[in-house]
Amino acid sequence: DAEITQSPRHKITETGRQVTLACHQTWNHNNMFWYRQDLGHGLRLIHYSYGVHDTNKGEVSDGYSVSRSNTEDLPLTLESAASSQTSVYFCASSESGGSNEQFFGPGTRLTVL
Amino acid sequence: KQEVTQIPAALSVPEGENLVLNCSFTDSAIYNLQWFRQDPGKGLTSLLLIQSSQREQTSGRLNASLDKSSGRSTLYIAASQPGDSATYLCAVSTSGSARQLTFGSGTQLTVLP
Repeated sequence: DAEITQSPRHKITETGRQVTLACHQTWNHNNMFWYRQDLGHGLRLIHYSYGVHDTNKGEVSDGYSVSRSNTEDLPLTLESAASSQTSVYFCASSESGGSNEQFFGPGTRLTVL
Repeated sequence: KQEVTQIPAALSVPEGENLVLNCSFTDSAIYNLQWFRQDPGKGLTSLLLIQSSQREQTSGRLNASLDKSSGRSTLYIAASQPGDSATYLCAVSTSGSARQLTFGSGTQLTVLP
């Protein structure tokens, strides 16, 4: 069955370190998204991609970057982790056109000390 | 900027009751609306997706309606069960940026045995 996976599921890091969260989907979807979920803010869009070599900033993109070298993967990098980036991160994907239904991964809980 | 509101924030009902969860959005120019379920510590599971041209969608005991002109959607759950306990999230994608979702903060549902 097609799926979307994220790794690691839990990560603890220190302020100032670079961190990369992985997202891999086997749906062959062109569209991929990164969200963060925080109490009091709900889910907010960080970055998104509509295809290979395409990346776009979302609502809360400062301090984050993504790159898309193939259809299956969209890694999220925190260039210099800050305590404000402690959150749960979700990756999602959807097909181009059609219903645009988004499917989510299980999430990565990141703690920045 | 699209804003999505879900009321109530929390709801507790006895098993067997029919219930309605509400979602409202400020920009009626939507592409589609999606209802998700989130269990504690888990990812989001897509329940129903309603295209902007549709008025409702049904899946088993769930029925979602959409009234674009008034900026409202409801999720109706029939004959609730303890296994329905979860947080329910509403999300809309707005025409023009059709593939990005704006989320509400969710309704935390508890079904008491």
